[in-house]
Amino acid sequence: QSVLSQPPSVSGAPGQRVTISCTGSSSNIGAGYDVHWYQQLPGTAPKLLIYDYNNRPSGVPDRFSGSKSGTSASLAITGLQAEDEADYYCQSFDSGLSGYVFGTGTTVTVL
Amino acid sequence: QVQLVESGGGVVQPGRSLRLSCAVSGFTFGKYGMHWVRQAPGKGLEWVAFTSVDGNIKNYADSVKGRFTISRDNSKNTLFLQMNTLRAEDTAVYYCARDPIVGTSGTFDIWGQGTMVTVSS
Repeated sequence: QSVLSQPPSVSGAPGQRVTISCTGSSSNIGAGYDVHWYQQLPGTAPKLLIYDYNNRPSGVPDRFSGSKSGTSASLAITGLQAEDEADYYCQSFDSGLSGYVFGTGTTVTVL
Repeated sequence: QVQLVESGGGVVQPGRSLRLSCAVSGFTFGKYGMHWVRQAPGKGLEWVAFTSVDGNIKNYADSVKGRFTISRDNSKNTLFLQMNTLRAEDTAVYYCARDPIVGTSGTFDIWGQGTMVTVSS
């Protein structure tokens, strides 16, 4: 059971904006540890999507953005496209566990 | 180009051992931390282990501590995961991932394609 909670699924029509929350605690996000986001397309390995809350690696469209507030972080996808259908995971570090942690994962469906 | 290729997966009986390898190319291996991450069938991602650039620092998830050992050979650009006393719940795709060691919480910036480990009698 992960210490970072995400909604199991979110959906939206093409062109819409969707957000995915990542709820942590005072031992991870609230302690100031960075949050990163990964996209996993069906049948493939995860790919780094956002690092350090709101930075995009080269090649990631600016439709993807991240933010943080208190003990939570969020990923927003604007102008949703069919190719965005995937599983999304947040990731941070937990001082209580002394280890790296992933969120529970969210499946994005484009209607 | 930057590439991580895992190997060594397969079907193994409970209680037995298996050694995974991750061969890297396209970057200076000895300048990056490395992780193993696994994903059970139909489940989410679970971090397994980390090793520092020189292999002197190693961290493990509680679920594998005392059974798994991460190591690296910088001269051969290869990462390893020795898995002992395997259990059914270790069944998963195992990914190796690169960490540039910046920031406060690790960044898995490049991933391999994964290798499947099935623990079953």
